[in-house]
Amino acid sequence: GNSVTQMEGPVTLSEEAFLTINCTYTATGYPSLFWYVQYPGEGLQLLLKATKADDKGSNKGFEATYRKETTSFHLEKGSVQVSDSAVYFCALYGQNFVFGPGTRLSVLP
Amino acid sequence: DSGVTQTPKHLITATGQRVTLRCSPRSGDLSVYWYQQSLDQGLQFLIQYYNGEERAKGNILERFSAQQFPDLHSELNLSSLELGDSALYFCASSGVRGTGYTFGSGTRLTVV
Repeated sequence: GNSVTQMEGPVTLSEEAFLTINCTYTATGYPSLFWYVQYPGEGLQLLLKATKADDKGSNKGFEATYRKETTSFHLEKGSVQVSDSAVYFCALYGQNFVFGPGTRLSVLP
Repeated sequence: DSGVTQTPKHLITATGQRVTLRCSPRSGDLSVYWYQQSLDQGLQFLIQYYNGEERAKGNILERFSAQQFPDLHSELNLSSLELGDSALYFCASSGVRGTGYTFGSGTRLTVV
């Protein structure tokens, strides 16, 4: 079946550091790929998505590119802020949604 | 406001009791999904309804049940509650295939 693997956290960075959170997937067909973010005490919010190979999703300075050849959808941000501290979930949609385990990011001032 | 409404926000109850969690999907969304999020299990898919019918079932215990009503709101019923059922319960709704979920803010259930 479909599955999503993402790097285990927690990830701790200093403000303005570069962020990469790795995500790889296993799926049949051509799923859509998503990143969701969960801020403390809140539900999950859609951060960005990509629906086909080589698409780049972007939002709030975050980017991820759908790489079919490496079955990856790594999340990147050039300069993180304290307010980016949250849990990030990679997900795919084939016949249904499958979420990764989440990666907790802490950004220190 | 995401458009998905969950009530109540917090619930504290005793072991052995039964509770009902409610979810109103975003306007126009026909699918409703329930998830359980606990510290040790992560985000676990429980069940999906589409336009009133059960569409998919995940790691849902037999003590748990759900339904979706004609007005598309959904209820998740949890019975014979155990301490380990303490978790955040999220509802999500979706519209067109592949466009993504919209999550509610969750119900935090504490079983004491």
